[in-house]
Amino acid sequence: SQQGEEDPQALSIQEGENATMNCSYKTSINNLQWYRQNSGRGLVHLILIRSNEREKHSGRLRVTLDTSKKSSSLLITASRAADTASYFCATDANAAGNKLTFGGGTRVLVKP
Amino acid sequence: DAEITQSPRHKITETGRQVTLACHQTWNHNNMFWYRQDLGHGLRLIHYSYGVQDTNKGEVSDGYSVSRSNTEDLPLTLESAASSQTSVYFCASSESGRASYEQYFGPGTRLTVT
Repeated sequence: SQQGEEDPQALSIQEGENATMNCSYKTSINNLQWYRQNSGRGLVHLILIRSNEREKHSGRLRVTLDTSKKSSSLLITASRAADTASYFCATDANAAGNKLTFGGGTRVLVKP
Repeated sequence: DAEITQSPRHKITETGRQVTLACHQTWNHNNMFWYRQDLGHGLRLIHYSYGVQDTNKGEVSDGYSVSRSNTEDLPLTLESAASSQTSVYFCASSESGRASYEQYFGPGTRLTVT
């Protein structure tokens, strides 16, 4: 079963616009991670936010976490064509195990 | 540079055959994971290992096995390949310890069972 569910499943925007995607999960977590997957490639880690954190930034990425609502959002600002990819949230319920449960992903298309 | 590699990148096999997918990492990570990725399901955990001689079943382990004889390698074996095992398989590794760490993924193996 999937712990995280991303919304929307697909997103199409123009270059320069912001892209926002959401992730909801079901059980308590230790941390939540976001990954990017370019077509035909492996996943690449973007950002990790711990359960005691509410917001985190990395370059053009902004992640929020609301543990009371069991949800997270990923914002990509000033998108570029190179941001075209699928984005996955993954939850880690047990820090010692580092075992992740992935959502189904959001496919983002950034049109030049 | 450290990396994680998978081989083969593409494999076509027949139903009932035994298939082994290789995963090799040079990060010196204790934790290693195998996932399968199917449309509509995201990534699902097949097996994982926290160190040499340690293996654990994941969410979708039926029909798969792994062994960990050294730190660098975690081969995934399909005992008797089935069409339902047609998928893209990803290997990943991470550091171990009390904190949480990102996972590093290999490029994937696309397996087709005919």
